[in-house]
Amino acid sequence: DGGITQSPKYLFRKEGQNVTLSCEQNLNHDAMYWYRQDPGQGLRLIYYSQIVNDFQKGDIAEGYSVSREKKESFPLTVTSAQKNPTAFYLCASSTGMVVENTEAFFGQGTRLTVV
Amino acid sequence: EDKVVQSPLSLVVHEGDTVTLNCSYEVTNFRSLLWYKQEKKAPTFLFMLTSSGIEKKSGRLSSILDKKELFSILNITATQTGDSAVYLCAVFSTPYNQGGKLIFGQGTELSVKP
Repeated sequence: DGGITQSPKYLFRKEGQNVTLSCEQNLNHDAMYWYRQDPGQGLRLIYYSQIVNDFQKGDIAEGYSVSREKKESFPLTVTSAQKNPTAFYLCASSTGMVVENTEAFFGQGTRLTVV
Repeated sequence: EDKVVQSPLSLVVHEGDTVTLNCSYEVTNFRSLLWYKQEKKAPTFLFMLTSSGIEKKSGRLSSILDKKELFSILNITATQTGDSAVYLCAVFSTPYNQGGKLIFGQGTELSVKP
């Protein structure tokens, strides 16, 4: 089945450690996005990528890093520089800016807890 | 700075009521506005709007876009408890030299009581 897969679903991290969240899609989508969601809040854009080997910072990129070496994959690393990393992280993909009607599809999310 | 603002942030109604959720936006190079429903984890797609004044409908849900006034509304008629969720509004924009990006509002948490 086509879709977006995020792993793991739950992740615990000690303070001061980096951790990488996985996002893979087999929808042949060009664009991929990472969002953070805190309780009672909407989705805030961390990073996004329109093509392989290129990505842009979103509104809250500090303390995060990404790579886009393959079209299917867009991993997010939460670094020790991120002050409040505990949150729900959602990955999404879409066909990209060249297609007029672009709906984004979401993964099931990763809940990261810093202990 | 691009922004999407939703109101109200939360809403409690009784079954059978009609609700209207609001979404206003300020973005560079607007391409489309999307509505999503989020119940537990992944948001699910409801509507995409690109043209002003054309209502989109799906059952008891409908939505319309006003590109002159930069807002959209999502209507739910005859609400049911299964409509309880967070409703998210997002705008797809293409800022110069930054590629297309999808920006979300804060969401409206709707609670429908029996």
